[in-house]
Amino acid sequence: DVKVTQSSRYLVKRTGEKVFLECVQDMDHENMFWYRQDPGLGLRLIYFSYDVKMKEKGDIPEGYSVSREKKERFSLILESASTNQTSMYLCASSFGGPNQPQHFGDGTRLSIL
Amino acid sequence: AQRVTQPEKLLSVFKGAPVELKCNYSYSGSPELFWYVQYSRQRLQLLLRHISRESIKGFTADLNKGETSFHLKKPFAQEEDSAMYYCALRAPYNQGGKLIFGQGTELSVKP
Repeated sequence: DVKVTQSSRYLVKRTGEKVFLECVQDMDHENMFWYRQDPGLGLRLIYFSYDVKMKEKGDIPEGYSVSREKKERFSLILESASTNQTSMYLCASSFGGPNQPQHFGDGTRLSIL
Repeated sequence: AQRVTQPEKLLSVFKGAPVELKCNYSYSGSPELFWYVQYSRQRLQLLLRHISRESIKGFTADLNKGETSFHLKKPFAQEEDSAMYYCALRAPYNQGGKLIFGQGTELSVKP
């Protein structure tokens, strides 16, 4: 069974802090993704990566950066946290190729005070 | 541009009633479509994909290219079907093959 593990279920940080969200998958998936999930807006893609050290901007990359130094790990970084980044953050991974589903972690509920 | 629309934010039905969660997409070419489900306090998980043509937990979804729809259906809803449902479309591979999600529909099945 695919396991996507996010380091924290709940996180509270202050405005202006640098925040790291970590995600690890154990299935040797090439692709990894970071989304934020907000009521009424569905899932919006922040960044994704299809190989080590590769990254691509998603639909809402502003205020975020990512790091993928190892295949199994994909980190999301909030450079200077702001209150409008309070959200649920979901990490996902998948194999490349057609019709491959994404597998999701439990999510991190991040509150910026 | 590729887009997925789920017109209903909330769908409320009684146990045993038929359910149809609507999903419309815009895409030029052959789409890859998925339905994901998120039960309360659980992770988002794949429910079914159009390529498989399978029934999962009694749910089916048929791709209608003429109407650009991929509606999710179940003939008799159960209380345990209450969850958030997302329809998703895979973008072309020259755009990274990312998934484009709809806004989600919350299904509430009442006893």
